[in-house]
Amino acid sequence: NAGVMQNPRHLVRRRGQEARLRCSPMKGHSHVYWYRQLPEEGLKFMVYLQKENIIDESGMPKERFSAEFPKEGPSILRIQQVVRGDSAAYFCASSPGTGDVKLFFGSGTQLSVL
Amino acid sequence: QKEVEQNSGPLSVPEGAIASLNCTYSDRVSQSFFWYRQYSGKSPELIMSIYSNGDKEDGRFTAQLNKASQYVSLLIRDSQPSDSATYLCAVIRTSGTYKYIFGTGTRLKVLA
Repeated sequence: NAGVMQNPRHLVRRRGQEARLRCSPMKGHSHVYWYRQLPEEGLKFMVYLQKENIIDESGMPKERFSAEFPKEGPSILRIQQVVRGDSAAYFCASSPGTGDVKLFFGSGTQLSVL
Repeated sequence: QKEVEQNSGPLSVPEGAIASLNCTYSDRVSQSFFWYRQYSGKSPELIMSIYSNGDKEDGRFTAQLNKASQYVSLLIRDSQPSDSATYLCAVIRTSGTYKYIFGTGTRLKVLA
């Protein structure tokens, strides 16, 4: 019974490159959330998706950031033209949706921008 | 005003003592409440959920919810050095968009 799977665990990019972070939710979970965390800070909500739909992207920067959760395959958080300030831990979490509202986290992707 | 507020700490307690962690929230329609534990460099781990007023106990952990005061707390009895971590409070409104909002966390240090 695999948990929330994120990859890669560590991602190094140079300024101006693209970063793609992947997340496969727990089996049976249809809701995916992305959070960003800087050292010694809390979790900042970015986006909430269901299959093929973005439900709430109020925490996503307007430029360079996008997210998708296609019908088949993992959810992808994409950061174009990365800058040093994008360096952070990015956590994905999933929940079953209606009914059980518990949220479970993946191990995170640590993005480092050189 | 932040949506979910926690004292950042660190909160230091001696081994064997009770650690009390507090959280307040601003949205009166919040309906579900969670406590997560996060060790340094690791992902958050769900340790308690509470949905109705009162106390909920699970082993050494007790969650307390007071919706009138918009206050939720976590008590850890017989604190152990392995409990040293950051504890995150999260709230969700279970209608609308199901967005989970986290506090900044309280760092707990249990001194051996």
